[in-house]
Amino acid sequence: QMQLQESGPGLVKPSQTLSLTCTVSGGSISSGSYYWAWIRQHPGKGLEWIGYIYSSGSTYYTPSLKSRVIMSVDTSKNQFSLKLSSVTAADTAVYYCAREIVATGLGTFDIWGQGTLVAVSS
Amino acid sequence: QSALTQPASVSGSPGQSITISCTGTSSDVGSYNYVSWYQQHPGKAPKMMIYDVSNRPSGVSNRFSGSKSGNTASLTISGLQAEDEADYYCCSYTSNNTRYVFGTGTKVTVL
Repeated sequence: QMQLQESGPGLVKPSQTLSLTCTVSGGSISSGSYYWAWIRQHPGKGLEWIGYIYSSGSTYYTPSLKSRVIMSVDTSKNQFSLKLSSVTAADTAVYYCAREIVATGLGTFDIWGQGTLVAVSS
Repeated sequence: QSALTQPASVSGSPGQSITISCTGTSSDVGSYNYVSWYQQHPGKAPKMMIYDVSNRPSGVSNRFSGSKSGNTASLTISGLQAEDEADYYCCSYTSNNTRYVFGTGTKVTVL
């Protein structure tokens, strides 16, 4: 059974870059059957889709964050990553990585990491 | 892109059925059969309960069912159990370039 695990700093200073990595185990990130997504949840709030990366490296970012987001994939390490630049307190959230199945339609996030809380504070 | 509208809370007694609504627009719920539902227990990651409006992933109880009419999708939980107490979020594909929009979330309480 595939599992996803986020890792990265839990505290980032304002104006700096948030960097998170999602390690995929129990399967290959190179499978063409999935998109690899990042989703965040502000404290006590709902979910917000940030974007996805495909194993080929193609990406799609939500417009509101597009100017600050870069996603990448490292197939040799079975990992994909999120970088969010120029962070502010509004970026404080729990960040989840998730697997989206390509074949079963859109928005099928069937496996999630446990989530990691990132706080933006000086 | 505004979030899909869900009731803030829904409650029911064990064994009863409850329905959670998810109202969107003709740009999302109303035009696409790409509505999914997620269950989230406190401090845990979301778990997919329904995809493509009414399909249940393997391992999800058949007490959970989904449907859609017009711009509103619904999740019904029948035979309510204590373990169903959680937050529930809907999600829809949208023709806006945000691609996906989530609902505001509904807290389900088992009385």
